[in-house]
Amino acid sequence: DTGVSQDPRHKITKRGQNVTFRCDPISEHNRLYWYRQTLGQGPEFLTYFQNEAQLEKSRLLSDRFSAERPKGSFSTLEIQRTEQGDSAMYLCASRLQGGQETQYFGPGTRLLVL
Amino acid sequence: GESVGLHLPTLSVQEGDNSIINCAYSNSASDYFIWYKQESGKGPQFIIDIRSNMDKRQGQRVTVLLNKTVKHLSLQIAATQPGDSAVYFCAEKASGGSYIPTFGRGTSLIVHP
Repeated sequence: DTGVSQDPRHKITKRGQNVTFRCDPISEHNRLYWYRQTLGQGPEFLTYFQNEAQLEKSRLLSDRFSAERPKGSFSTLEIQRTEQGDSAMYLCASRLQGGQETQYFGPGTRLLVL
Repeated sequence: GESVGLHLPTLSVQEGDNSIINCAYSNSASDYFIWYKQESGKGPQFIIDIRSNMDKRQGQRVTVLLNKTVKHLSLQIAATQPGDSAVYFCAEKASGGSYIPTFGRGTSLIVHP
């Protein structure tokens, strides 16, 4: 257990539905990252926050995706109008800016869009 | 056994053998490299890292070697155990800018008792 938690661990939804995932980082970590991982591939960067500010977004993050970190602690990732291609593992990671560069990953949320 | 880079996605070894997992990275501007271990159903777990000003770093049963000339990174696991069975990813980070590592494809390590 790295100290990063994600909820839910699994989500099955029908195409067109909206889903929201939550990440709780290690409490003192001010940077929080979202990644997407498909089977057999490494994690692909989606977006990251420093405190409550969203500093960078990948081109992978279509306009159906939105992420927030309103109080600089937990974060949510919402996918609107889900598509089958959104099926993947969504990983959250956190680190302390200025500290060790290592990111600590949560267990992920596995999304299946039917 | 030895993996010739991420083009060979699976490495099978016997318990007690040494394992070598290789990774070819693409960005000559990368200055920080990390190896992660990912077990089934879990997120990646940090194993060891190395900066570009080093060519070798050792941890507990693991050693990372960096050859910047040919942009090659390897992870050596000594006395491989069944609990080492997992997918291993290398990741690289370009110097400067925000810390966003780029992950390679991954190598599946299978340790037979």
